[in-house]
Amino acid sequence: QSALTQPASVSGSPGQSIAISCTGTSSDVGGYKYVSWYQQHPGKVPKLIISEVSNRPSGVPDRFSASKSGNTASLTISGLQAEDEADYYCSSYTTSSIYVVFGGGTKLTVL
Amino acid sequence: EVQLVESGGGLVQPGGSLRLSCAASGFTFSSSWMHWVRQAPGKGLVWVSRISGDGSTTTYADSVKGRFTISRDNAKNTLYLQMNSLRAEDTAVYYCAYVLRPYYFDYWGHGTLVTVSS
Repeated sequence: QSALTQPASVSGSPGQSIAISCTGTSSDVGGYKYVSWYQQHPGKVPKLIISEVSNRPSGVPDRFSASKSGNTASLTISGLQAEDEADYYCSSYTTSSIYVVFGGGTKLTVL
Repeated sequence: EVQLVESGGGLVQPGGSLRLSCAASGFTFSSSWMHWVRQAPGKGLVWVSRISGDGSTTTYADSVKGRFTISRDNAKNTLYLQMNSLRAEDTAVYYCAYVLRPYYFDYWGHGTLVTVSS
C-alpha cells in the first residue's frame, strides 16, 4: 500500500480538463511544501512536471497546474491532448523514516 | 547535458547479490546528492536510497536497510548500489536520479531491470 493515495485511473476527452488528487497526512502533503508530480509515458522514464506544490519546470506546458489544500494535493491538466496520456505520480517529503513517499500512480486515458 | 546510464541489472536467485552502477556526466557529480528509485513491474515508484556528494551521508528505505549499500566513486563519476540478500519483492527497474534541490528528482537514468527469481 502506497503512502499517498491517488485514484487508479482518470479519463477525459481532448480539450477537456481533468484533475488528479493525491491524499496524504499532516506528516507529508499537509505539512510541507515539498510536493511534486511526475509524468511517465509507457516504457519511458519519469519526468518531473511540478515541484514545490505548484511550480512548473522550464519546458512544461502551462496546461499543467497544481495546488494543495490541507492533506490533499491536486494536479490539473487543461486542454487535454492525446500526448498527455500517461501515468502520473505525486510525491512528498515525509517526516517518517523514509526520504520521500510516492503515490500509487494514476493512469490518465485520453478518450 | 546531464546523462545517467545504469548497468548491472539481471536475473538473480533469491538470497543472491547484485551490484548496480550508474555512470554520470554533464554535471558536477562530486558535489551532488544522488538517489536510487525503483519501480516494480506495473507498479509505482519507490524511493530506495540516497548519498551525499562526498559519500559521508547515506539514507535507506526501511525495506532495504541492512541489505543494500549505496556508494560512489567521484573519481569515476559513478554511483553504485550493492544489493545483498535479494528477495522476490526486490524485482524492479532501478533508476538512478540526480537532484538539483532536495526532494525533487530532476534527472533520471533509463533504468536497469533486476529480476529476483529461482
